Amino acid sequence: AQRVTQPEKLLSVFKGAPVELKCNYSYSGSPELFWYVQYSRQRLQLLLRHISRESIKGFTADLNKGETSFHLKKPFAQEEDSAMYYCALKTRITQGGSEKLVFGKGTKLTVNP
Amino acid sequence: DVKVTQSSRYLVKRTGEKVFLECVQDMDHENMFWYRQDPGLGLRLIYFSYDVKMKEKGDIPEGYSVSREKKERFSLILESASTNQTSMYLCASSLLGFYSPLHFGNGTRLTVT
Repeated sequence: AQRVTQPEKLLSVFKGAPVELKCNYSYSGSPELFWYVQYSRQRLQLLLRHISRESIKGFTADLNKGETSFHLKKPFAQEEDSAMYYCALKTRITQGGSEKLVFGKGTKLTVNP
Repeated sequence: DVKVTQSSRYLVKRTGEKVFLECVQDMDHENMFWYRQDPGLGLRLIYFSYDVKMKEKGDIPEGYSVSREKKERFSLILESASTNQTSMYLCASSLLGFYSPLHFGNGTRLTVT
C-alpha cells in the first residue's frame, strides 16, 4: 500500500537556522512526490514537486530512492516560512487511467524570531 | 489562475441531516477530489473523479457519496451526517497527468451537532 510518513508533527527553529522537514514514502512503483504548504488562513498550495527539480522560496527537496525519502530543506529559515507542510505521493490508478495523491499527516513549522 | 470554489466556508448541521458540499472549478480540469483535513491526521482522500459521471473511492468513503454531472462541478454528499464527520473538507482539481499538481479550494468547515 502507498504510504507517506512525516515523522515530526511539530518543528521549531530560529530565524536564520537551517530547517529540514522529513518525508518518507512507501510505494512499489515509480514515485512522483510533492510538497504542499498551508499558511495561516490560506488555502493549501503547491510548494514544489520532484519532477521540476526547482527551488521555491529557498526550499529544495531531493528524491532519494534508496532511502525512499523526499526531505524538504532550506538553509536559512525565515519567519514567513511558518506554516503547515504536507508531503504527498502521487500514484497511478491503472484501471481508471487516473491518479490520486496520498498525503502525509503534516509537519507544523514554526520559525521563531 | 485556477480557481476552485467551495460554496460554503462554514456549515452547521444536525445529526441525521443530508448534507451537500459543492465544489466548482473553472479550468476544465478532468480530475476532482474531496479530502477531509483533521489535526494530527493530515488529509485523507474520500472520493475522486477523473471524468463526468465517473467516481472512485478514496481511503475513507464510508458515510459519503459523490456526484459529478458536469465537468466543472463535484459534489460531496453526507447521506446522514454524524458527529464524527465534523471536519474541514477540501476540494481539489487537477489536469489529467501524472505530474499535474492539485489546486485546492478554501475548504468548508462542517460542524455536525
